[in-house]
Amino acid sequence: GEDVEQSLFLSVREGDSSVINCTYTDSSSTYLYWYKQEPGAGLQLLTYIFSNMDMKQDQRLTVLLNKKDKHLSLRIADTQTGDSAIYFCAESGPSRGTYKYIFGTGTRLKVLA
Amino acid sequence: DGGITQSPKYLFRKEGQNVTLSCEQNLNHDAMYWYRQDPGQGLRLIYYSQIVNDFQKGDIAEGYSVSREKKESFPLTVTSAQKNPTAFYLCASGGPYNSPLHFGNGTRLTVT
Repeated sequence: GEDVEQSLFLSVREGDSSVINCTYTDSSSTYLYWYKQEPGAGLQLLTYIFSNMDMKQDQRLTVLLNKKDKHLSLRIADTQTGDSAIYFCAESGPSRGTYKYIFGTGTRLKVLA
Repeated sequence: DGGITQSPKYLFRKEGQNVTLSCEQNLNHDAMYWYRQDPGQGLRLIYYSQIVNDFQKGDIAEGYSVSREKKESFPLTVTSAQKNPTAFYLCASGGPYNSPLHFGNGTRLTVT
């Protein structure tokens, strides 16, 4: 079945860049998303990319998509302590007359001061 | 401000009792979803609804029930048949054509 995989933990120093990686298996994916979850809160949509794009930049965030390898990454420039959170990768695409959303297990980013 | 409201934020129940979690959205989205989140397991889909008066089971629907009588509302009932109900429950809604999901702030349910 379809799957989205992420590493569980990432630790970086404040001011450095963070790169969170994700791989997915479904070649029919049309959109890929990055969400941020702070403790005790819901998921906040950070950015998303259409599957025919290979890069999207939005302020400190850069998304890179390698469709051939089914690999998605999120780069956070100048990482701050407020970026400490869980980051979820997700993909969506058509499935049996509807759209399905598959989420990864999340990467916990810890920013060290 | 448009958004999704889940209530209550924290809910405590005794084992054997049914409990209903509320989810309301004013984004005019057709589709609504319920997810369960357990530590280290990501999100698992419980139920979803793409239109009023219609809903489908997700991957872990056993022990749960939903209704969709209004576009804005998609309440989730956790029944006594759900073996491990203690979890963080997230409601989401989505616009048409594969658009991003928007999430509420969640309800943490503790059953003892």
